[in-house]
Order: sequence, then structure tokens, then C-alpha cells
Amino acid sequence: GALVYQYPRRTICKSGTSMRMECQAVGFQATSVAWYRQSPQKTFELIALSTVNSAIKYEQNFTQEKFPISHPNLSFSSMTVLNAYLEDRGLYLCGASGTGGYEQYFGPGTRLTVL
Amino acid sequence: SQWGEENLQALSIQEGEDVTMNCSYKTYTTVVHWYRQDSGRGPALIILIRSNEREKRSGRLRATLDTSSQSSSLSITAAQCEDTAVYFCATARTGGYKVVFGSGTRLLVSP
Repeated sequence: GALVYQYPRRTICKSGTSMRMECQAVGFQATSVAWYRQSPQKTFELIALSTVNSAIKYEQNFTQEKFPISHPNLSFSSMTVLNAYLEDRGLYLCGASGTGGYEQYFGPGTRLTVL
Repeated sequence: SQWGEENLQALSIQEGEDVTMNCSYKTYTTVVHWYRQDSGRGPALIILIRSNEREKRSGRLRATLDTSSQSSSLSITAAQCEDTAVYFCATARTGGYKVVFGSGTRLLVSP
């Protein structure tokens, strides 16, 4: 079956530092990977959508300068949160989709705490 | 925003009861997804209904879609304690994989 792994599961960083999180798809080819941030109130914010061989599309209020994303192949994507501050706290989820499908498979998320 | 209601809603029912969760969306969509999210986990797709379908069933789950009113519902028949989770509806469009989530419903099923 289709599985998505994310790591680390939890991370704590000091304010102003950066951290990188990874997303790996197993059992299918992740043509597209969407990165989300989920608040404690369970609200989802779409950060960006990355499709292999296409430019990464960032949503309003999110930039490549702050959340650089790499999607080098059909099984892996990473995102870095640069200069993290309190407002960057949350659960970062990656959702991966295969070619031609609407189903998006999610990893368990990386929970970011900023001190 | 994409959705008519922005706050996480809460429903509490007894085991064996039926429950329906509703959501409405504002912009055109070709597919509505329903996800459940268990504590400490990412969302898991439980049912997907396309714009040319009015109803979709999967086990005890039933999703409906009314494109004219831009609304969808998820019903669970004879709810069980293990149905306790947060349920989200989400939309997606043809040609893209951008899935936009609604605010969610926290369902608690008690024995």
C-alpha cells in the first residue's frame, strides 16, 4: 500500500534557528507533494505544492525564502523552516499524490516547537 | 476563504447512533475528500466523492455531494468508539493536486 513517512516526528529549535524536515513516499510515485501546517486548533494552511519537473507553487503568506522545498525525485521531499519563530510552531504535514490521482496520502507530521 | 465555517466543531454521541457531518465550500471543485485524523497522526482519506456523483458509500460511511448548493456531508451509521476522531472535508480540482481543507469536526463516540 501507499505509505508516507515523515521525520523527525518532533523537533524543538531555538528562536531564529532553522530546521529541516523530510517526507518519504513508499509504495507509489509521489508526483506531487503538498506541505501543510496544522495549528493546535486543527486548521490547515497549505504552504506550497511541489510537482516533479514543475516549479514549486507557494501559497500567499509563504515564501521560498522562508520555507525552501526540495523535491528531487518521486519518493522524497524536504522542507526547511528558516529562522523559525513562535508563529512557525505547529504540525507540518506532507501530503503526496501519484500521477492522475486525487488521493493524497499524508505522513504523520513533524511537530515543530520553537523556544 | 474556501469554506463557510472556520471553527472546529464538536459532536458527541453514543455508540450505536448515526451521525452526519456537513460542510459547504465556496469555490468550484471537482472532488470532495473526507479525511479522518486520529490523535498524533496525519489525516487519512476515508472517502472521495467526485462532482458527477451524488452519493458514495464505503462500509458504514456515506458521503453526499450537492454541487448546486456546494455542500457535502459524511454520515456514519451505527457509530463505534473507534470512530472517535477529527473529520475533515477537503476539495480538489481537476489538473492539480492542491487539496484545501475545511475546519473539521471533532467526533466523540462514547460507549
